[in-house]
Amino acid sequence: DQQVKQNSPSLSVQEGRISILNCDYTNSMFDYFLWYKKYPAEGPTFLISISSIKDKNEDGRFTVFLNKSAKHLSLHIVPSQPGDSAVYFCAASWGTSGSRLTFGEGTQLTVNP
Amino acid sequence: NAGVTQTPKFQVLKTGQSMTLQCAQDMNHEYMSWYRQDPGMGLRLIHYSVGAGITDQGEVPNGYNVSRSTTEDFPLRLLSAAPSQTSVYFCASSNPRTNSYEQYFGPGTRLTVT
Repeated sequence: DQQVKQNSPSLSVQEGRISILNCDYTNSMFDYFLWYKKYPAEGPTFLISISSIKDKNEDGRFTVFLNKSAKHLSLHIVPSQPGDSAVYFCAASWGTSGSRLTFGEGTQLTVNP
Repeated sequence: NAGVTQTPKFQVLKTGQSMTLQCAQDMNHEYMSWYRQDPGMGLRLIHYSVGAGITDQGEVPNGYNVSRSTTEDFPLRLLSAAPSQTSVYFCASSNPRTNSYEQYFGPGTRLTVT
C-alpha cells in the first residue's frame, strides 16, 4: 500500500505567485518529512524537512507545514521562479535516524514566466 | 568533494546476465541506500546500510544483493537480470547526526534489461 501519496501529478503557476504542493501519509510512525526537487537526468536534491513534533519550518522561499491530525503536509514556494520548474517529491522517514525514506509519486511543477 | 558518485550512467543487459552498480561517497557518511525509480512512481528503497558490515532490506529487495565492506562504497548486485528490473537506480548517503535527515543522492544509473 502507498503510505505517502501526492495526489496532484502536475501544477502550473505564474512566476511571482505562490506554489503549494501537497502530500498525504498514512503511517503515524513517520518521524520526519522531507521535500526533494528533481530535474531530469539528475538525482533528487534536498529542499527542506520537518520533524513530526513541529508544524512549520521555513528556509528562505520554502515553507513546509505539517498537520498531524490530518496526516497532511504541504510545501509553499513564495515567490515562484521559472528555475523552480521540476518534479517535487515528498518523503517520510522511518527507522533509525532517517536511514529509510518512503517517497510519494511526485508532482511536476511548472512556473511560467 | 565529489559527493555521491555512481557508475555506470547507462547500462543495457540481457535477461539472465549479472552486473554490479557501483556507488561511492566521499563525505564519510555512515548511512547509504539504494533506490529505484520507475515511471509514474516515487523512489522505492531496495537495500540500505547503517555502517560498514551492516545491511538490511528495504521495500523491494528481491533480485538484488548488497554488501558494505568500507564506509565509502556500497555496490548493488543484480545476480540474474530480469526485464522487471529495468529502472533508474539511485544511491544515497546521509549523516545520522544532522537534524534534517537529509539524504544526498547520486546522479543515477539508467538500466535496461532486454
